[in-house]
Amino acid sequence: AQSVAQPEDQVNVAEGNPLTVKCTYSVSGNPYLFWYVQYPNRGLQFLLKYITGDNLVKGSYGFEAEFNKSQTSFHLKKPSALVSDSALYFCAIYPNNDMRFGAGTRLTVKP
Amino acid sequence: NAGVMQNPRHLVRRRGQEARLRCSPMKGHSHVYWYRQLPEEGLKFMVYLQKENIIDESGMPKERFSAEFPKEGPSILRIQQVVRGDSAAYFCASSRAGVNEQYFGPGTRLTVT
Repeated sequence: AQSVAQPEDQVNVAEGNPLTVKCTYSVSGNPYLFWYVQYPNRGLQFLLKYITGDNLVKGSYGFEAEFNKSQTSFHLKKPSALVSDSALYFCAIYPNNDMRFGAGTRLTVKP
Repeated sequence: NAGVMQNPRHLVRRRGQEARLRCSPMKGHSHVYWYRQLPEEGLKFMVYLQKENIIDESGMPKERFSAEFPKEGPSILRIQQVVRGDSAAYFCASSRAGVNEQYFGPGTRLTVT
């Protein structure tokens, strides 16, 4: 079965420090991978996607993600975290007709 | 360009009543998806529709739940005879054809009392 896993429920970083939110995937064939962010009482917002091409994908709000085939990972990164980045982050995979989401990682950036 | 619209934003129903949730996709999007989210949990896929067709309903409970996306008008997710366990946030998303990012609406928060 094609799926993604987010091993960390919670990530805490200090403002200005780099952040990483982890995601690993399981898929047969080429993966289509996405990152979304959800702010309180809001729908999900698309951040970035990997379909093919460069392993480093740049997205919205200064976020980027690195596709690593050998480690089956697609970690979300940002060089310098902002307090406003605090939210729930979801990794997703698109195996067929639907998007399969990870359980989510709550990122808290402290001033 | 208006985003995905959902209404109502909040819906309160007593047990046994019907809940009807509406979703208008983004302009130019022909694919609609419904997801359910319980508090502090991820999204669970329910159903994927195109105009007048249900493509994949593998995530939808077999009873009481139905969805449609008519030729004209919004997509509707209908829950008959609601129970307390139906209380959740229901999100609609839309996309263009192919492997594309989905754009989400603000959700409908259903509370069953």
